[in-house]
Amino acid sequence: DSGVTQTPKHLITATGQRVTLRCSPRSGDLSVYWYQQSLDQGLQFLIQYYNGEERAKGNILERFSAQQFPDLHSELNLSSLELGDSALYFCASSARSAGANVLTFGAGSRLTVL
Amino acid sequence: EDKVVQSPLSLVVHEGDTVTLNCSYEVTNFRSLLWYKQEKKAPTFLFMLTSSGIEKKSGRLSSILDKKELFSILNITATQTGDSAVYLCAYDMRFGAGTRLTVKP
Repeated sequence: DSGVTQTPKHLITATGQRVTLRCSPRSGDLSVYWYQQSLDQGLQFLIQYYNGEERAKGNILERFSAQQFPDLHSELNLSSLELGDSALYFCASSARSAGANVLTFGAGSRLTVL
Repeated sequence: EDKVVQSPLSLVVHEGDTVTLNCSYEVTNFRSLLWYKQEKKAPTFLFMLTSSGIEKKSGRLSSILDKKELFSILNITATQTGDSAVYLCAYDMRFGAGTRLTVKP
């Protein structure tokens, strides 16, 4: 157990729907990162939050949004889902916002869009 | 934009072989380079390199950073089937495409 908790572990939904993925960071970590990993693809960085504020943005689609709450948990909202959004979504956390910064990953949420 | 490029993308070896995985980077303000291992689940941290020429070792795995030439290598000696995984190089939150290592018995 890495200490980063992601829910749900698996999610199956239909095109056009909206889902929310949840992440609780490791105790003491202030930064949360979201990644998308499609089948046999690399880790695509989506977005980073640090202590409630958006810190960095990657290849996040406009249909996707995220936030980090005062208790530091984060949610990734995916809307108007398409077949191509099917992927493993990882959340990671770290103590710092940048620099010499080791990320600890959750087990991931596997999204299947039918 | 910061960029991390790994090579080769895929590698097949036999148990006992030594492998070298490469990571080159183009970044605006270097802080650290990290290596992770991903088996059939989430990536796990291997090494962080912050200074040039420093070698980090953990058992059969070692890594070195060359800040002048902007690359890092990950060496695995006496490979075992359990080393089969995707090895990822990362700068800040951005990851390279990874090297898929397959170790055959």
